[in-house]
Amino acid sequence: DAKTTQPPSMDCAEGRAANLPCNHSTISGNEYVYWYRQIHSQGPQYIIHGLKNNETNEMASLIITEDRKSSTLILPHATLRDTAVYYCIVRGGSQGNLIFGKGTKLSVKP
Amino acid sequence: EAQVTQNPRYLITVTGKKLTVTCSQNMNHEYMSWYRQDPGLGLRQIYYSMNVEVTDKGDVPEGYKVSRKEKRNFPLILESPSPNQTSLYFCASRPNRLDTEAFFGQGTRLTVV
Repeated sequence: DAKTTQPPSMDCAEGRAANLPCNHSTISGNEYVYWYRQIHSQGPQYIIHGLKNNETNEMASLIITEDRKSSTLILPHATLRDTAVYYCIVRGGSQGNLIFGKGTKLSVKP
Repeated sequence: EAQVTQNPRYLITVTGKKLTVTCSQNMNHEYMSWYRQDPGLGLRQIYYSMNVEVTDKGDVPEGYKVSRKEKRNFPLILESPSPNQTSLYFCASRPNRLDTEAFFGQGTRLTVV
C-alpha cells in the first residue's frame, strides 16, 4: 500500500482558503487518493477523492500533481466548523481497506 | 436518513465480562468494518465484512469477534474484555469493497477496568 505523509498541524484564518498538502510518492497507477476528516471524536467524514484529474465538490477541491506523487486539499473559505483532523488516504490492499495515517490537525482561527 | 448507528455510545465494564457493541446501517451496504482509535495510533481496522456470512481480520483482530448474519447488522463482540481494549470504536459501511465513500457511526467509547 502506498504511504502518505502529511504535516501534523496547520493553522488557517477564518474565511481564507485552507490548503492541506499530502505526499504519496509511491502511489501506483490504479490507486485513488481519498480525503476524510474527523471533527473532535466524531466518526470520520468523507470529503472527496480523485485519481488523476482535479476534482471539486460542494465541500472542497482536490488538486493532484501530474506525476501523482502529491496532492492538495483546498477548503476555499474555511470556517470555524472546519477545525478537524484531515486524513489523506491512498486506498490499497486487495480488499479495498481504508488505512488511516495520523492526518493533519487543521485549526481555523477567528 | 442514511446512517450507521452504533450502540451503546459509552460503556464502562469490568475485565472479563462479555460485551457486544451493535452496529446497524440502513443503506443496504455490502461492506462493513470496525475500527478502533487510540491516541498516537490513529484508526486501525479490527475486522471487516464484504457481505453476509463473509468476515475477515483487519490489522488488530486479537480479542474481538464479529458476525454478519444479515446485511444491515455487524456486531462487535468482546468475549473477555481487558483494559488494553479501552478505546474509541467506530463502525463503518460502504456500498461495496470498491466503492469510495465510507459512512461512519458516531463511535462507542469503551472503558474496561
